[in-house]
Amino acid sequence: SAVISQKPSRDICQRGTSLTIQCQVDSQVTMMFWYRQQPGQSLTLIATANQGSEATYESGFVIDKFPISRPNLTFSTLTVSNMSPEDSSIYLCSGGLAGWAETQYFGPGTRLLVL
Amino acid sequence: ILNVEQSPQSLHVQEGDSTNFTCSFPSSNFYALHWYRWETAKSPEALFVMTLNGDEKKKGRISATLNTKEGYSYLYIKGSQPEDSATYLCAFPGNYGQNFVFGPGTRLSVLP
Repeated sequence: SAVISQKPSRDICQRGTSLTIQCQVDSQVTMMFWYRQQPGQSLTLIATANQGSEATYESGFVIDKFPISRPNLTFSTLTVSNMSPEDSSIYLCSGGLAGWAETQYFGPGTRLLVL
Repeated sequence: ILNVEQSPQSLHVQEGDSTNFTCSFPSSNFYALHWYRWETAKSPEALFVMTLNGDEKKKGRISATLNTKEGYSYLYIKGSQPEDSATYLCAFPGNYGQNFVFGPGTRLSVLP
C-alpha cells in the first residue's frame, strides 16, 4: 500500500492568481495521476504525471492551465494557473502500480475556492 | 468514452438497516472494477477490486458482487452504522489501463 499526502489541504484564492499543489507518496509508485471533482460532478482525470517528462493530459485539459511536474517517483506538483471561479474544486492526486487490477491510492485532496 | 452510472445518487437509512446500491457499466471489454469509500475531508479508501464474473468480495459488513455479462456490480452494507456515512464510488481502468474513470457516486447517510 501507499500513503499519499497533499498540501495545502484547502485554500481560498483570488481570480487571476495561481496555486501549486504538492503531492508526496511514501513509497515508489509507477503511476501518478491528478483528478478534479467540481461541485456536483464525478471525479475526472486531469492528467497522468510522467517522471522526468511532460504530463499526458486528458481531453479538455491543457498544460498552460494545469502545468504538472514529477521530478522523481514519489513527488508531483499541479499548478492551477490564472484561476477563475470555475476552478473551484477538490483536486486529488493518486498513485499506484501499473495494471488493470492494481489499487490506486489517493491523497486527502485540496479544496480550492476561487473568488 | 466509458459511461459509468451509479444509483441511487443518495440514500438515507436508519442505523441498523441494510442497504445496497448499484454500479452499471458497458459489459464489453471488461478488465476490472474498483470500489472506493470516500468520507468528507479524507482520502478515498479502496474497498474491493473485482475482476471475474460472479466475483463476491467481503470486508466486514460490506460486500460486493459482480456480473460482467449484464454490466453491473452491487455493493451491500449489512447493519449500517453512522460511520458508514460516505460517498461510495466505483471506478474502471481508463484508456491507458491505469487511470480510472469514476462513476458519480452514491452518497450514503446513516442516521443514528
